[in-house]
Amino acid sequence: AQKVTQAQTEISVVEKEDVTLDCVYETRDTTYYLFWYKQPPSGELVFLIRRNSFDEQNEISGRYSWNFQKSTSSFNFTITASQVVDSAVYFCAPNAGKSTFGDGTTLTVKP
Amino acid sequence: NAGVTQTPKFRILKIGQSMTLQCAQDMNHNYMYWYRQDPGMGLKLIYYSVGAGITDKGEVPNGYNVSRSTTEDFPLRLELAAPSQTSVYFCASTLGGTAGNTIYFGEGSWLTVV
Repeated sequence: AQKVTQAQTEISVVEKEDVTLDCVYETRDTTYYLFWYKQPPSGELVFLIRRNSFDEQNEISGRYSWNFQKSTSSFNFTITASQVVDSAVYFCAPNAGKSTFGDGTTLTVKP
Repeated sequence: NAGVTQTPKFRILKIGQSMTLQCAQDMNHNYMYWYRQDPGMGLKLIYYSVGAGITDKGEVPNGYNVSRSTTEDFPLRLELAAPSQTSVYFCASTLGGTAGNTIYFGEGSWLTVV
């Protein structure tokens, strides 16, 4: 079983600032997956990224980047040059389906 | 593609009433899930199903029932609504049960019990 912790409950930044959302996980599995989801104010859940434990390569997708480090059990998410539309709740989640999500990090980007 | 479809999107119930939240997916996924999300919180698993005719409890099953007569449909039944069941409900599906499967979520159903 896995557990994730998002210690940052709320983050507020001004537009164009960079912001990093932290995710620390615990697992005894040798193979595991981690996900990031975004929940904008409209309420739907949007899949952002999936990473498996064999792939520690950092990933960049436009203004988004993810830093997966097994040595520190972290899977952090950075938004570069944040925009107001990035305002949302962001969830780091363990393996698919039967896992309970954590409470997420609420990001507010002010104009 | 429709993906995961939930109905209704909004509903107000009186205490003690019953209702069914409908969920359908058109991706031929074996696994389906029901979550609830209370204000300011993450998602908690209510029930899940690994295939037609098979269901199992999640973390918070009390006050709910489910059935899975077909691969496509996974309705969630609230028998005696209570204010504590005021929440947003998400139905989801995955192709299989392995950890790496992407979860496809419905758009959510906002339920208020008064």
